[in-house]
Amino acid sequence: DADVTQTPRNRITKTGKRIMLECSQTKGHDRMYWYRQDPGLGLQLIYYSFDVKDINKGEISDGYSVSRQAQAKFSLSLESAIPNQTALYFCATSDFRASGETQYFGPGTRLTVL
Amino acid sequence: DQQVKQNSPSLSVQEGRISILNCDYTNSMFDYFLWYKKYPAEGPTFLISISSIKDKNEDGRFTVFLNKSAKHLSLHIVPSQPGDSAVYFCAARGSGNTGKLIFGQGTTLQVKP
Repeated sequence: DADVTQTPRNRITKTGKRIMLECSQTKGHDRMYWYRQDPGLGLQLIYYSFDVKDINKGEISDGYSVSRQAQAKFSLSLESAIPNQTALYFCATSDFRASGETQYFGPGTRLTVL
Repeated sequence: DQQVKQNSPSLSVQEGRISILNCDYTNSMFDYFLWYKKYPAEGPTFLISISSIKDKNEDGRFTVFLNKSAKHLSLHIVPSQPGDSAVYFCAARGSGNTGKLIFGQGTTLQVKP
């Protein structure tokens, strides 16, 4: 079983709709992250959380919100989706106690906003 | 302002030859560098990393070189195999216990049989 899972894997929605992307992990890591990937731009950090009570904005948080429901769950919401939020979204986790603190990624969610 | 740059969007090499992927950064406070590999329809997977106190790290066919004075790192794959065909991202972590990574734009490597 995958250590970091994301649901849904694909989603097509319309402008103005509210969308929630969910991420779960079984790695026991405290830190979780949400990124988006656009062609030619690499991965950009949207939000990150160092524990259940700690939520921080990343580089491109406008138009997004997050919820850390438990150590293992971190969800990303688009309150009112717009077409330029069409992208690949990745969740990641890391263990701050590990040397180098490698981040481990989920399989991604492809979101299309029409 | 892009702090981590991969200036080559794509690279094509012959199977068995060396692949060299490059990455430049601007922030001298970065203390850890990582390379990730990404196949289509999958998330990035960790490949190899290097601390800023080292200039080389090797793992099998993969070697990462760090030139701090030039703010440049490179990933060498020898010998290259068709299964290495993927998008490669370099990433840098700021000093301190932040955990945050800054990613480059990615380089698509194609290894031809």
